[in-house]
Amino acid sequence: DAKTTQPPSMDCAEGRAANLPCNHSTISGNEYVYWYRQIHSQGPQYIIHGLKNNETNEMASLIITEDRKSSTLILPHATLRDTAVYYCIGRAGGTSYGKLTFGQGTILTVHP
Amino acid sequence: DAGVIQSPRHEVTEMGQEVTLRCKPISGHDYLFWYRQTMMRGLELLIYFNNNVPIDDSGMPEDRFSAKMPNASFSTLKIQPSEPRDSAVYFCASSFLRNEQFFGPGTRLTVL
Repeated sequence: DAKTTQPPSMDCAEGRAANLPCNHSTISGNEYVYWYRQIHSQGPQYIIHGLKNNETNEMASLIITEDRKSSTLILPHATLRDTAVYYCIGRAGGTSYGKLTFGQGTILTVHP
Repeated sequence: DAGVIQSPRHEVTEMGQEVTLRCKPISGHDYLFWYRQTMMRGLELLIYFNNNVPIDDSGMPEDRFSAKMPNASFSTLKIQPSEPRDSAVYFCASSFLRNEQFFGPGTRLTVL
């Protein structure tokens, strides 16, 4: 799985968009970019994933650069409940079922 | 669906005792994962199963750890004998095919 690099912490005002960056310069062609988050004392929660194209679901949007070396997770209207550790993970797809290798993630703090 | 169920939620034991953690995956899911989370090492994959068969146990720290999945609705992670350094939160997760993983609430293990 690709090594990912994320800032250790970020702040965001409630109601504003939270943009969480991730570098994955060693990602290979068949590796997906996955985002999970972990709210304090809970199990990690899946947010979104993508391969090449930008993706959007009810929780977030994922913007992947054309060269696939980086991506940004966007929470369009952050709330206090979005305060969590956010993990960006590169995971092999196709016939290779890669492990989810969690790094240190980004601690996002949403302020009132 | 009730989600992934883990028991017990908290376990306190003394060094040398046997510890058994239990997991019930989401019905219909064919992959099951065991993770361990500590402050020092973060979230680590220990072992995962596909259709009740262990696929990759390279993350199991040593022979004191063993995991079984006797049927599609139940798995155990056993530590015998337990040591203080095994203190951690243990998460079980399941997925359908190679899709997103759903995590349980975790078992907080303290070995005195």
